[in-house]
Amino acid sequence: DAMVIQNPRYQVTQFGKPVTLSCSQTLNHNVMYWYQQKSSQAPKLLFHYYDKDFNNEADTPDNFQSRRPNTSFCFLDIRSPGLGDAAMYLCATGVRGTDYNEQFFGPGTRLTVL
Amino acid sequence: GQNIDQPTEMTATEGAIVQINCTYQTSGFNGLFWYQQHAGEAPTFLSYNVLDGLEEKGRFSSFLSRSKGYSYLLLKELQMKDSASYLCAVRDNSGNTPLVFGKGTRLSVIA
Repeated sequence: DAMVIQNPRYQVTQFGKPVTLSCSQTLNHNVMYWYQQKSSQAPKLLFHYYDKDFNNEADTPDNFQSRRPNTSFCFLDIRSPGLGDAAMYLCATGVRGTDYNEQFFGPGTRLTVL
Repeated sequence: GQNIDQPTEMTATEGAIVQINCTYQTSGFNGLFWYQQHAGEAPTFLSYNVLDGLEEKGRFSSFLSRSKGYSYLLLKELQMKDSASYLCAVRDNSGNTPLVFGKGTRLSVIA
């Protein structure tokens, strides 16, 4: 089945230790998004790629970086995680070029910072 | 700015009907989405409205009034498995612009 996959589902890191979260998709969608969601809050968009074009949200900290080496994969790098970065990280995909742009979400990676 | 408001929590009885409201104030409008999110899981798509009126899909219906900046999600014949958060999200521009999400309404279905 076509889907959005995120690995790992649960990630534990130490304060200040770099961590990378990965997302892959078999939907061949040209847009990929990274959201941060803290408990009882709305998903907050960090950045998105349209093909290789990177779009950063104005309030996304510099601590968060992303790479998209090809259509299928997208990575979220947190260079120096702080306690406040503990959250669920959601990857989603979509299709540009149509107005009907449902976003398909992966299962998320729950990040714990010790 | 962008603002999407939903009630924080609701409780309803199994078998009943519940309506979850959403009001939005965005710089533009090009569609409203409802997502269901169970605790610790990713959001899953429920419905999409871009024109005024009611869209029905099984036990779930969604209504939109663009002039009022208002939508609701109606859930009929509630089941225990419907206990989840329901997220209202708006696309504020054409094309692939990302969705702006509300904080979600946590629905508890009780026996």
